[in-house]
Amino acid sequence: NAGVTQTPKFQVLKTGQSMTLQCAQDMNHNSMYWYRQDPGMGLRLIYYSASEGTTDKGEVPNGYNVSRLNKREFSLRLESAAPSQTSVYFCASRDQQNGYTFGSGTRLTVV
Amino acid sequence: QKEVEQNSGPLSVPEGAIASLNCTYSDRGSQSFFWYRQYSGKSPELIMSIYSNGDKEDGRFTAQLNKASQYVSLLIRDSQPSDSATYLCAVKASGGYNKLIFGAGTRLAVHP
Repeated sequence: NAGVTQTPKFQVLKTGQSMTLQCAQDMNHNSMYWYRQDPGMGLRLIYYSASEGTTDKGEVPNGYNVSRLNKREFSLRLESAAPSQTSVYFCASRDQQNGYTFGSGTRLTVV
Repeated sequence: QKEVEQNSGPLSVPEGAIASLNCTYSDRGSQSFFWYRQYSGKSPELIMSIYSNGDKEDGRFTAQLNKASQYVSLLIRDSQPSDSATYLCAVKASGGYNKLIFGAGTRLAVHP
């Protein structure tokens, strides 16, 4: 099925551990995004990639890094996880005509 | 001031009634506006987009846009319990690479 695939769906990390969230889309979209969603705060943009080979900071980039591996894949890395990074993470991609298509999300808990 | 503001709710309406969801935004250069529905524990899904002043209808949903007042709304006619969800307003930022700025969402509860 066409869409945006995120892995893993759930993850528990200890403070200071690192991990990479994976995202892939098969819709041939140029733009891809990483958001986090916290209660009462809506979706906040972490990083985005307007096209293959480019990445830019969003609203809340501190503590994160990204890689646009190719047109399909856009990964998000936490180098040293902190409890403040406990959140639900969504990857999304966009074509020229429509709004975003979101992945199913990753629920991350940092203890 | 937040860039996109929504009343957090919950907005409670009886089945069959009209639900009215409102959103204001601060970026006067914005040209594209979207409504997403998010069920609990699920990802947001696009239900409406609107680009011009006025109304846009799609089934039971009507989006309304007033750029002069920087106001977007979503009307849901004949509300059903299955419409119970959080509705997110999103505004495409002007001057950026297709970035969407989201409101915190309004929780809608439709009771039988």
